[in-house]
Amino acid sequence: GQNIDQPTEMTATEGAIVQINCTYQTSGFNGLFWYQQHAGEAPTFLSYNVLDGLEEKGRFSSFLSRSKGYSYLLLKELQMKDSASYLCAVLDSNYQLIWGAGTKLIIKP
Amino acid sequence: GAVVSQHPSRVICKSGTSVKIECRSLDFQATTMFWYRQFPKQSLMLMATSNEGSKATYEQGVEKDKFLINHASLTLSTLTVTSAHPEDSSFYICSARIPTGTEQFFGPGTRLTVL
Repeated sequence: GQNIDQPTEMTATEGAIVQINCTYQTSGFNGLFWYQQHAGEAPTFLSYNVLDGLEEKGRFSSFLSRSKGYSYLLLKELQMKDSASYLCAVLDSNYQLIWGAGTKLIIKP
Repeated sequence: GAVVSQHPSRVICKSGTSVKIECRSLDFQATTMFWYRQFPKQSLMLMATSNEGSKATYEQGVEKDKFLINHASLTLSTLTVTSAHPEDSSFYICSARIPTGTEQFFGPGTRLTVL
């Protein structure tokens, strides 16, 4: 079956750095997405990786290793507004998004 | 980026009534739209994939006669929850994909509460 694993919850301090990991086992691979979702709102797009390596976009970076079925989202200079759930999703061979359960990130002052 | 709207954003209805939710792609044509449901503290669950001009493809366990999907144009898909019950209370989110892309653009979601 298809499976995506990410930690349920993480806590970090304002101004610090946090890395959210995601491992996946899917039927086929056409890219991995990271989305941010604030409570009561729809997800918003953060990043898309289809090739191995690190993609940097401002304070957020995303890494992919296809051979290891592994990705991480790195958030730097954390701000209180970064408190949200972070969803990892893989596009499978049918171009269907397979979603992880999300990681709730709590930022403390 | 592409914009997807949903209407209504929030609806409260009595048990047994039907509720229609609209999903529109505002600045692009979406041949494929997706309907998700999200219960509190859970991840998104794909309900169905809607293709313009054809019948929707429902995920296992989703009743097609209860959740009616119509994708009559390239910019509009509707989800009708028929004879809604309290257990249908959830956050319903649509997304749309441009024909040549892989990214899904999400609508703001509809909070349905069935009393």
